[in-house]
Amino acid sequence: GDSVTQMEGPVTLSEEAFLTINCTYTATGYPSLFWYVQYPGEGLQLLLKATKADDKGSNKGFEATYRKETTSFHLEKGSVQVSDSAVYFCALDQTGANNLFFGTGTRLTVIP
Amino acid sequence: GAGVSQSPRYKVTKRGQDVALRCDPISGHVSLYWYRQALGQGPEFLTYFNYEAQQDKSGLPNDRFSAERPEGSISTLTIQRTEQRDSAMYRCASSATGNEQFFGPGTRLTVL
Repeated sequence: GDSVTQMEGPVTLSEEAFLTINCTYTATGYPSLFWYVQYPGEGLQLLLKATKADDKGSNKGFEATYRKETTSFHLEKGSVQVSDSAVYFCALDQTGANNLFFGTGTRLTVIP
Repeated sequence: GAGVSQSPRYKVTKRGQDVALRCDPISGHVSLYWYRQALGQGPEFLTYFNYEAQQDKSGLPNDRFSAERPEGSISTLTIQRTEQRDSAMYRCASSATGNEQFFGPGTRLTVL
């Protein structure tokens, strides 16, 4: 069945450090891929998405590229800020399934 | 307009009681989804609706769980005879046509 495997946390970085959070998936067909973010005390928000192979999603300095050959969708940011501290969830939407499969989440803490 | 709202935000109940969780989607959104999120895990799909029709309830864990959306807008997730293992965050999301889901703040259910 469909699944998402996400890099375990927690991750602690200093401000301005480079961030990578790994995400790989298993799915039949060609799913859409997402990163959601949950800031402290808030609900899940869509951060970025990619709907087909080689697409790059980007938002707020974060990027992720849909790599079909490695079934991956790693999240990256070149210079993190304290305000990026949150839990990040990788998710997939199998075409026609109309529901999201989520990874377990990675907690990021950025220290000044 | 307003985002997805859920009520109550917190619910504490005793084992064996019934609970009803409410979701008010973004106005005009056709699809509505329910997810359950255990501590330290990603959200897990429960069920979804297009308008008032329940399209998929494969994620409901057992027959104590039910959901309805009688007028194609507000939805209620009902858990009968609650058990301690039902304790979790229950999240609702809605979407227009397309695959971007907007999440509410969630209802934290604690069963004593």
